[in-house]
Amino acid sequence: DGGITQSPKYLFRKEGQNVTLSCEQNLNHDAMYWYRQDPGQGLRLIYYSQIVNDFQKGDIAEGYSVSREKKESFPLTVTSAQKNPTAFYLCASSARDYQETQYFGPGTRLLVL
Amino acid sequence: GENVEQHPSTLSVQEGDSAVIKCTYSDSASNYFPWYKQELGKGPQLIIDIRSNVGEKKDQRIAVTLNKTAKHFSLHITETQPEDSAVYFCAASGAYGNNRLAFGKGNQVVVIP
Repeated sequence: DGGITQSPKYLFRKEGQNVTLSCEQNLNHDAMYWYRQDPGQGLRLIYYSQIVNDFQKGDIAEGYSVSREKKESFPLTVTSAQKNPTAFYLCASSARDYQETQYFGPGTRLLVL
Repeated sequence: GENVEQHPSTLSVQEGDSAVIKCTYSDSASNYFPWYKQELGKGPQLIIDIRSNVGEKKDQRIAVTLNKTAKHFSLHITETQPEDSAVYFCAASGAYGNNRLAFGKGNQVVVIP
């Protein structure tokens, strides 16, 4: 069953804590993306990667970090430097780049305790 | 960078009627325009897309039209059904350089049975 998975579905973060959101795809896609979604807002790009071991900052990268050690995995770490992390986080992948269909995962909702 | 705006923000239609959502974009070099549907608590899913070399594309009850001169594109849903109730996002992307996918803020469509 091909697709893109995210875990966990819900995540709670304490003050000063780093948390990592998982994103895995078995679509053999080269490109992967992380977006942040706030209520009533569109999707804002955090980071993207077009190839293993390479990634680029998006529009709102401050307070976040990523790695791309394997083609199928693109984890996002929300660091303590991100002062307003409460949001719905979406991971996506596409075969090569922005000009192709992006397939989204089910999302992770991050809440701050 | 690209700026995408959607109107109206909320649209209510009677079941069986048509729904039209319009998006405007700012970058005349943009050439790829997808539409995504997002159901509550889920990730967005591509429903239709259009490239700048065509003016209209249809897929069953869904169609997208593109007016490059006026820099706007619209989603048309005919014979609406309750399962069409969702948030719809438009997006635009250019072909060259760092032209990532820019999303609108979304339209909430409510189909009244």
